[in-house]
Amino acid sequence: DTGVSQDPRHKITKRGQNVTFRCDPISEHNRLYWYRQTLGQGPEFLTYFQNEAQLEKSRLLSDRFSAERPKGSFSTLEIQRTEQGDSAMYLCASSQPGLMNTEAFFGQGTRLTVV
Amino acid sequence: KQEVTQIPAALSVPEGENLVLNCSFTDSAIYNLQWFRQDPGKGLTSLLLIQSSQREQTSGRLNASLDKSSGRSTLYIAASQPGDSATYLCAVNQAGTALIFGKGTTLSVSS
Repeated sequence: DTGVSQDPRHKITKRGQNVTFRCDPISEHNRLYWYRQTLGQGPEFLTYFQNEAQLEKSRLLSDRFSAERPKGSFSTLEIQRTEQGDSAMYLCASSQPGLMNTEAFFGQGTRLTVV
Repeated sequence: KQEVTQIPAALSVPEGENLVLNCSFTDSAIYNLQWFRQDPGKGLTSLLLIQSSQREQTSGRLNASLDKSSGRSTLYIAASQPGDSATYLCAVNQAGTALIFGKGTTLSVSS
């Protein structure tokens, strides 16, 4: 296992279409996070899973966004009816459980462009 | 609400210089602080993790310090190289879950 893997790396879609991204975390990590990053900004938290349970969602996660982690392994992030404002880098991260030594490891991201 | 600020936003130095990147946060109740590197169009690479009980961490030419009471962290890069050119992000872990990031410092090291 070489790290967090995200697919696809790049996605161009027309406004109004649905898109789905996949994240495969480091195998022994039970925590998985989704972040969104726009140009010149730091990543912003979207949602967080511990195993298959979605424990926290940001107010940034509108009702057009949905995330799943059905078996506590990989996760998907779906955006319905995409808008130009959804264009961003979508980053996935994973970490081991715990409060203190929760070093987060990130994937290479999925760059979404909505035209 | 926790806010993380990084100064400067951009920095250009000649090769070989030692440099310091600054990170400040408004709420000192954090579990840990993490420094990341991001190359253009890429994901984040973890550089150093400092627990709230620690004062500093070192990895090679990198040294990160944490003063939790004053809400500050610094990343010291010794003998900078052109390959160090990237954006450096700091993030705090406040509730044991999501990280809160600054906007980053973009470093350019010229040869």
